[in-house]
Amino acid sequence: AQTVTQSQPEMSVQEAETVTLSCTYDTSESDYYLFWYKQPPSRQMILVIRQEAYKQQNATENRFSVNFQKAAKSFSLKISDSQLGDAAMYFCAYKAGSQGNLIFGKGTKLSVKP
Amino acid sequence: DAGITQSPRHKVTETGTPVTLRCHQTENHRYMYWYRQDPGHGLRLIHYSYGVKDTDKGEVSDGYSVSRSKTEDFLLTLESATSSQTSVYFCAISERSGGTYNEQFFGPGTRLTVL
Repeated sequence: AQTVTQSQPEMSVQEAETVTLSCTYDTSESDYYLFWYKQPPSRQMILVIRQEAYKQQNATENRFSVNFQKAAKSFSLKISDSQLGDAAMYFCAYKAGSQGNLIFGKGTKLSVKP
Repeated sequence: DAGITQSPRHKVTETGTPVTLRCHQTENHRYMYWYRQDPGHGLRLIHYSYGVKDTDKGEVSDGYSVSRSKTEDFLLTLESATSSQTSVYFCAISERSGGTYNEQFFGPGTRLTVL
């Protein structure tokens, strides 16, 4: 069975600094997708970034980028120039290519200090 | 934002009573999902639907049933609510194109408290 592990229950970063959130996963599939979701206090789930396993290039979306290490089954999220609005729960999620449902990690609560 | 609404947004009920949560979408997406979110567990799949009247179980389906009589509506029913079903429930939708499932869009969530 596929699993997703986020080993950091909480993280803290100073405003304007950079922070990296860790995620590892386990799968025997070759076709899969990885995602980072942000959940602010409003509870809304917001897609931050996605990575297709067949792509070697790391995905980037503005201040958000990933470090995808396929062999190590690692998928970390880097947030550059952290802003107060980045404070939220962040969930790493996995999706097999043949399935539609997501498997989530337990989340990392990110605090941003002014 | 994807057109997904959930009702009610908040509900408090008593143990043993039936509860139905509704998810409504205006995107005409084929796939719909129900997840529950609990502290320390992330989101876990309860049931999903791959078309009208086509549903299947997820990881934590015990105590829940679903129905989908129309493309736009996916109902989650707790036949006899228990305190362990106190949670935040999320509905999500997705579509499939070219054999690939596209990203999931989430509804705003329903906070259910079972006393």
